[in-house]
Amino acid sequence: EVQLVESGGGLVQPGGSLRLSCAASGISVSTHYMAWVRQAPGKGLEWVAMFYSAGGKVYADSVKGRFTVSRDTSKNIFYVQMNSLRVEDTAVYFCASGSAEVVSVDALDIWGQGTIVTVSS
Amino acid sequence: DVQMTQSPSSLSASVGDRVNITCRASQSVTSYLHWYQQKPGKAPSLLIYAASSLRSGVPSRFSASGSWTDFTLTISSLQPEDFATYYCQQTYTNPATFGGGTKVEIK
Repeated sequence: EVQLVESGGGLVQPGGSLRLSCAASGISVSTHYMAWVRQAPGKGLEWVAMFYSAGGKVYADSVKGRFTVSRDTSKNIFYVQMNSLRVEDTAVYFCASGSAEVVSVDALDIWGQGTIVTVSS
Repeated sequence: DVQMTQSPSSLSASVGDRVNITCRASQSVTSYLHWYQQKPGKAPSLLIYAASSLRSGVPSRFSASGSWTDFTLTISSLQPEDFATYYCQQTYTNPATFGGGTKVEIK
């Protein structure tokens, strides 16, 4: 069974840091693109970052320079390191990927359950 | 960045109704346009990819069309389990972007 499980969320003060993890099973983070998508309370979806299988990384303007995605292929885990956190980064963070059916168009058909990040003093 | 505009932002409909949701891109995204359904407290679920391809396992009452900048998601006969929020997303140009969402509520 294909599964993504996020962890690492919590309460952090503005300016602080947090690292989220996405443990993958049934797919390999080294051969699939991996993405982070977030959703602020009561708001819509916001694409945050993507890590392509070949190693390329892309970020939303709102997090560029503050967030860094990475992967550990030996553990099959995908990460996002979040620094200089702001109140507006408060959201549920979803990890997502694409199966062979949708890989040619970078759609996201594999999702985790999300982890909550709260940035507040 | 490519701006994605969905309309309406919300709608009320009855079971059995035909529902159309539109998504407009600020520049061409060719057919790199996808539709997601999200229910409260759950992760989004992909319905349609590449503008009109129905994802495996998604009921055939869902369909979509469009290309370049204008796209439409259609639910041919609304079912109770379809009451949710729907989002479009473009992946033609990085960063990928989502529309603001359309909430489908029970009339």
